[in-house]
Amino acid sequence: DTAVSQTPKYLVTQMGNDKSIKCEQNLGHDTMYWYKQDSKKFLKIMFSYNNKELIINETVPNRFSPKSPDKAHLNLHINSLELGDSAVYFCASSLRVGEQYFGPGTRLTVT
Amino acid sequence: QKEVEQDPGPLSVPEGAIVSLNCTYSNSAFQYFMWYRQYSRKGPELLMYTYSSGNKEDGRFTAQVDKSSKYISLFIRDSQPSDSATYLCAMSAGVSGKLTFGQGTILTVHP
Repeated sequence: DTAVSQTPKYLVTQMGNDKSIKCEQNLGHDTMYWYKQDSKKFLKIMFSYNNKELIINETVPNRFSPKSPDKAHLNLHINSLELGDSAVYFCASSLRVGEQYFGPGTRLTVT
Repeated sequence: QKEVEQDPGPLSVPEGAIVSLNCTYSNSAFQYFMWYRQYSRKGPELLMYTYSSGNKEDGRFTAQVDKSSKYISLFIRDSQPSDSATYLCAMSAGVSGKLTFGQGTILTVHP
């Protein structure tokens, strides 16, 4: 059983489009995260939710909007996609500080 | 200056070698120190977790934290080709669970 799953795995879209990435975890964790990994492999946190409540909101354009319908799911919606949004987006979940379990990633390419 | 500095390498060693990976940091509030391993096109996976200063050993892996020098290390003994991956250090001050990652070091262990 996959602990943290993301869909889709690959996403190719044109500039200006709106897209969503879904994340689900079956570990029973209370906290979930979205990270962006750029082409140089630098991993940076974007958002974090704890029990459906937003607790971390880094300096991210407001075109990015996370939504947590329940504590097992955290989705990421991106409006008006730009070339610079091309990256790998990782979802993660955790029970305690530092011990985060990552999903397989969604490779977003904006053309 | 980045909060966490990590030499990106690449680092290439022969099988059986001892590998030393390091990170320095500037934020004295960091209390939790982690090492993640990321294989190509996969999500990061937690390797080692340390709270505050000290050493921790797990099989062939040893993590060291020196808070006075703001320096952490990961040692891999008897390195194997299967250890070839990107190694990311990560740190947290706690509370929100926000992780700050280093850039990652690309390691190749050749037979």
